[in-house]
Amino acid sequence: NAGVTQTPKFQVLKTGQSMTLQCAQDMNHEYMSWYRQDPGMGLRLIHYSVGAGITDQGEVPNGYNVSRSTTEDFPLRLLSAAPSQTSVYFCASSYSWRQLSGNTIYFGEGSWLTVV
Amino acid sequence: GQQVMQIPQYQHVQEGEDFTTYCNSSTTLSNIQWYKQRPGGHPVFLIQLVKSGEVKKQKRLTFQFGEAKKNSSLHITATQTTDVGTYFCAGRSGGGADGLTFGKGTHLIIQP
Repeated sequence: NAGVTQTPKFQVLKTGQSMTLQCAQDMNHEYMSWYRQDPGMGLRLIHYSVGAGITDQGEVPNGYNVSRSTTEDFPLRLLSAAPSQTSVYFCASSYSWRQLSGNTIYFGEGSWLTVV
Repeated sequence: GQQVMQIPQYQHVQEGEDFTTYCNSSTTLSNIQWYKQRPGGHPVFLIQLVKSGEVKKQKRLTFQFGEAKKNSSLHITATQTTDVGTYFCAGRSGGGADGLTFGKGTHLIIQP
């Protein structure tokens, strides 16, 4: 198992550009999510999905779109990049969010995004 | 909404000293998880606590869940340089899929 794989690892964007961060998991997890991590702010939930075809907003969704066409993939789209979106982005998944067992979150290795 | 406060934000210790980080929730939690993130790395699951008053140990790490299920702590005995990193708690209270809230983490810095 590769676990949670996200690409690219590093990216520099110009203000106004769009891009997609890719995320894939091979563990047949129903729950996938995207977090951003900023200094002093911890991990903040951007969007999440409880299964294919179902997505919802987290704490900081503005400026981002997601889709979940398959169980494995959960891409994050930046629509028009802004300097405030400079951050480290983590994709994460878990087998189930409903049960107390099986809700361990597995994180990808992170994507460092700089918007200039 | 639910808030999870974690203190201290930073902790400097000499190698061999003990370390404790505390997590407090504004609401009663159904469970709490702890994660470790090495510098430049990604968060990695350490443990989950579910029961009121639960105590779990992993070698030099001791995790506690408060009786009221609103607070938790992680204690490391005799720190080693391999313990360097940021320790996050994450608590779940609501029934929704977005009900997991992370604390802001405690950065552990160890001086040899």
